Amino acid sequence: DTEVTQTPKHLVMGMTNKKSLKCEQHMGHRAMYWYKQKAKKPPELMFVYSYEKLSINESVPSRFSPECPNSSLLNLHLHALQPEDSALYLCASSQGYRGANEKLFFGSGTQLSVL
Amino acid sequence: EDKVVQSPLSLVVHEGDTVTLNCSYEVTNFRSLLWYKQEKKAPTFLFMLTSSGIEKKSGRLSSILDKKELFSILNITATQTGDSAIYLCAYGGATNKLIFGTGTLLAVQP
Repeated sequence: DTEVTQTPKHLVMGMTNKKSLKCEQHMGHRAMYWYKQKAKKPPELMFVYSYEKLSINESVPSRFSPECPNSSLLNLHLHALQPEDSALYLCASSQGYRGANEKLFFGSGTQLSVL
Repeated sequence: EDKVVQSPLSLVVHEGDTVTLNCSYEVTNFRSLLWYKQEKKAPTFLFMLTSSGIEKKSGRLSSILDKKELFSILNITATQTGDSAIYLCAYGGATNKLIFGTGTLLAVQP
């Protein structure tokens, strides 16, 4: 199994809603990542978990709250989002965490629209 | 500020053509350069380059890194419509995270 699975594939939410994005991998990887990708832009790193501990937070607003319940799961809790937060949210995993020297496996993403 | 610049931004070719995609970078403390292919949503890994002058190949795709001139190229020979995608170059440097370029949109027409 070489897949990173993300749910839901699409999500539409209002600015007062609370929702969660989920990501799962069964490759035994010990690092997991959240990226945000706006249309026609490259992916931008949001968070990195290494061995289930948050190791990088790229100054992301607190309305995004990551959680890593175990080594296979990564969640992104969303609350009071703004329309400019509409984007494709990509989850990725890697075998370990050597930062830039890791091969990342990406999920298919959640396309989020905030109304 | 570290940055990655890809060119061209977009490219249209016909099946069977050979294409060369460029990635140049301005970085501190270079560690690696990676190429990804993004078709619909999920970027898929193509190559990771850490040493200058050593070509990596996978089928019709190949890539090479020039650490002196700070660039990498991705070659695709005998292109097929299935090669149509965004090709992303990403560099890993002093900040210990991947910095992606804006990508090259490749369209292969039958």
